[in-house]
Amino acid sequence: AQSVTQLGSHVSVSEGALVLLRCNYSSSVPPYLFWYVQYPNQGLQLLLKYTSAATLVKGINGFEAEFKKSETSFHLTKPSAHMSDAAEYFCAVSLSSFFSGGYNKLIFGAGTRLAVHP
Amino acid sequence: SAVISQKPSRDICQRGTSLTIQCQVDSQVTMMFWYRQQPGQSLTLIATANQGSEATYESGFVIDKFPISRPNLTFSTLTVSNMSPEDSSIYLCSVEWIPASGQGSGYGYTFGSGTRLTVV
Repeated sequence: AQSVTQLGSHVSVSEGALVLLRCNYSSSVPPYLFWYVQYPNQGLQLLLKYTSAATLVKGINGFEAEFKKSETSFHLTKPSAHMSDAAEYFCAVSLSSFFSGGYNKLIFGAGTRLAVHP
Repeated sequence: SAVISQKPSRDICQRGTSLTIQCQVDSQVTMMFWYRQQPGQSLTLIATANQGSEATYESGFVIDKFPISRPNLTFSTLTVSNMSPEDSSIYLCSVEWIPASGQGSGYGYTFGSGTRLTVV
């Protein structure tokens, strides 16, 4: 079965600093990986996804993530944090439909709350 | 990708009652998923609904408490039965979007805006 682990339930950075949110996955077959963002009292928004194409994935709002099979990681980064980036970030994993032979479940990590201070 | 309409967006219910949440998709989809997000928590998958068959429930969730209907390829309902304050959560439906052959990397999951349920 697949799973994801997000290291750090809370991350705090200064405005303009590097954002690094960590996600490690466990999967016996090549996974599809996703990062979602949830702003306070709002729904989920897809930031980016990895679906077995390029290992460096660029998403919205200046975020990117790199799929590293050797490290089973899919960390989310942004070079310079903005106050508007303060939100909850979720990493999620789904089996590739090529391998699943059936339906795919999207499984979420516990989430990381990002705080950005002036 | 698909667009999901979920309703109600929020409700306040008395304990012991039931609430049915509706999820309408603007295109035909095979699988629909129901999630629960308890206050301050991540999303937990409740069940997967495939049209024409019984829903498949995750560990810790049972059909008597969360009956699901999937009458066609664009619609599903989740009922939260015999509610208690512990059921106060956001409930979200989701669909898996698989692009047609040759449509590239459009694969993903779309989520409804959620139903914020408070049980008093």
